[in-house]
Amino acid sequence: SYDLTQPLSVSVALGQTAAISCGGDNIGRKSVHWYQQKPGQTPVVVIYRNTNRPSGIPERFSGSNSGNTATLTISRAQTGDEADYYCQVWDNTIAMFGAGTKLTVL
Amino acid sequence: EVQLLESGGGLVQPGGSLRLSCTASGFTFSNYAMTWVRQAPGKGLEWVSDMTGFSGHTYYADSVRGRFTISRDNSKNTLFLQLTNLRADDTAIYYCAREDGRASDNWFDPWGQGTPVIVSS
Repeated sequence: SYDLTQPLSVSVALGQTAAISCGGDNIGRKSVHWYQQKPGQTPVVVIYRNTNRPSGIPERFSGSNSGNTATLTISRAQTGDEADYYCQVWDNTIAMFGAGTKLTVL
Repeated sequence: EVQLLESGGGLVQPGGSLRLSCTASGFTFSNYAMTWVRQAPGKGLEWVSDMTGFSGHTYYADSVRGRFTISRDNSKNTLFLQLTNLRADDTAIYYCAREDGRASDNWFDPWGQGTPVIVSS
């Protein structure tokens, strides 16, 4: 199976930029999607196909994907961005999620 | 507005069965593949199964293949997940989600609110 590696936690100062990585073998050749899950809430897609933002998602959220690492970047971090973030890819017909990264805004 | 509403969860003994339902509204249900994702208490997201819209092709995670069966009734805009031979490690919130994209790289949007399944004696 295809393994995705995410850091367990990332901390960022209020107003600064957070980067959450998602590592995988040649993940740059795959399409990566990112989900935000706030405590007690349902997951929401924040980036799809590596770099695309759904309507309603702030421009502060951006994505990139190259080589063995995909990255979700959150600029001007706010307390409301505190959540678990999951990357997701397809391994043939099986969807795979990373283990998730807990973002803390200090 | 696109909405997904799951139901059917509950407490079941090990070895037991449950049938989960996901009723969709606000979009042409038959045009979309649909998926089930679960989340064990305090854990991350785990994809369980999905089913294409028209052709009805089904796919399963290794952890549930042979025990869970996904199906859909396009006339009733409803997705199902039949859970059998349940184990303690099947305890989780089960979410249904619509798949968006070109089939080869679909993402999940939106998600339902989830229905809890607790497997315990």
